[in-house]
Amino acid sequence: DTEVTQTPKHLVMGMTNKKSLKCEQHMGHRAMYWYKQKAKKPPELMFVYSYEKLSINESVPSRFSPECPNSSLLNLHLHALQPEDSALYLCASSQVVYTDTQYFGPGTRLTVL
Amino acid sequence: GQQLNQSPQSMFIQEGEDVSMNCTSSSIFNTWLWYKQDPGEGPVLLIALYKAGELTSNGRLTAQFGITRKDSFLNISASIPSDVGIYFCAGQRQGAQKLVFGQGTRLTINP
Repeated sequence: DTEVTQTPKHLVMGMTNKKSLKCEQHMGHRAMYWYKQKAKKPPELMFVYSYEKLSINESVPSRFSPECPNSSLLNLHLHALQPEDSALYLCASSQVVYTDTQYFGPGTRLTVL
Repeated sequence: GQQLNQSPQSMFIQEGEDVSMNCTSSSIFNTWLWYKQDPGEGPVLLIALYKAGELTSNGRLTAQFGITRKDSFLNISASIPSDVGIYFCAGQRQGAQKLVFGQGTRLTINP
């Protein structure tokens, strides 16, 4: 089973709202990732967690706050977003971070009004 | 950041035709991955390559890890309508935590 699940599928929020995106995998993977993808572009890496510790933050604005409560779960907390943050947010996981295959979830389509 | 050169950017073909696309880089990669993405969905892994010269098939799909470790190719034989989508290559260098993506190849099939 190579499934990564994400909830919600769609999210519409105002610029003053606080919301969270959730990601879950049960493959025993110890690396998890958040990506942002704009239309017709490849995914852009935001954060990498390795063994539940933040390993990479690609200079993402603080209005995006990741959290890894355990080895199976990854959250992305959203606060005071801007309309330009509207995008498809993808979660991925791999066994480990170095030279390994990443499996993506279906994504959350986020619209910021 | 670094990107892979993926070509072609788009392809318009007839159903039943074969398809070829490739990715090249100025750097050496230890892993090459090929993903397919449908609109509004996440990328789905098609083929993973781990050794230079490796040739791997997945049904009608065949991918190769270039012998120089700087390129990879994906071929689709006898295309069908469900092959429509965007295909991304991705590479990972030794010791790197990140994937580097190509810009994608958009495949359109005329029935």
